[in-house]
Amino acid sequence: GQQLNQSPQSMFIQEGEDVSMNCTSSSIFNTWLWYKQDPGEGPVLLIALYKAGELTSNGRLTAQFGITRKDSFLNISASIPSDVGIYFCAGHGTSGSRLTFGEGTQLTVNP
Amino acid sequence: SAVISQKPSRDICQRGTSLTIQCQVDSQVTMMFWYRQQPGQSLTLIATANQGSEATYESGFVIDKFPISRPNLTFSTLTVSNMSPEDSSIYLCSVALWQEDTEAFFGQGTRLTVV
Repeated sequence: GQQLNQSPQSMFIQEGEDVSMNCTSSSIFNTWLWYKQDPGEGPVLLIALYKAGELTSNGRLTAQFGITRKDSFLNISASIPSDVGIYFCAGHGTSGSRLTFGEGTQLTVNP
Repeated sequence: SAVISQKPSRDICQRGTSLTIQCQVDSQVTMMFWYRQQPGQSLTLIATANQGSEATYESGFVIDKFPISRPNLTFSTLTVSNMSPEDSSIYLCSVALWQEDTEAFFGQGTRLTVV
């Protein structure tokens, strides 16, 4: 099946710093989604991307759908302690295929 | 989006027993899914819950172990049968509002520990 390689696996940053994480695939994806999961909760959808080259923002979060359709990145600007959690990328490959998830990026923000 | 409620939120079960997890959505949805998230891992799709017919299982998951029901467009259950400690995971219900399930929304999950 399709696989997503997400990096980095973990990040330790200071409050106020910017963060960047990305996902890559060996095959083309039609949709990219970014989720955040807090401890004891289910993933919450942050941003959805539908077109190659699309750049979308949600507050301090910005995500882009790579022009090759094989990658996506998520940026968080001016991080705050509540940004702590696990961030997952996910995507749809061919039409009708189910969501494939990356392995997640564990973000720690030090006050 | 949709509000998704899962019950129970957590449970500790004896090996060899079965647990049924319920998923209730506040509106009718086209697609419902069940995922497993093993400790420290990503999400793995177990099956698509089909209304009025048998669920569609992903490779590595079988109906005898994970029977699923979906009697209507707002409710589904997942049973984890004959549990062993390896079944200790978070089980997540997910819904999509459109046929292509482009955007999936998740319940809060059921944290299962098998002892």
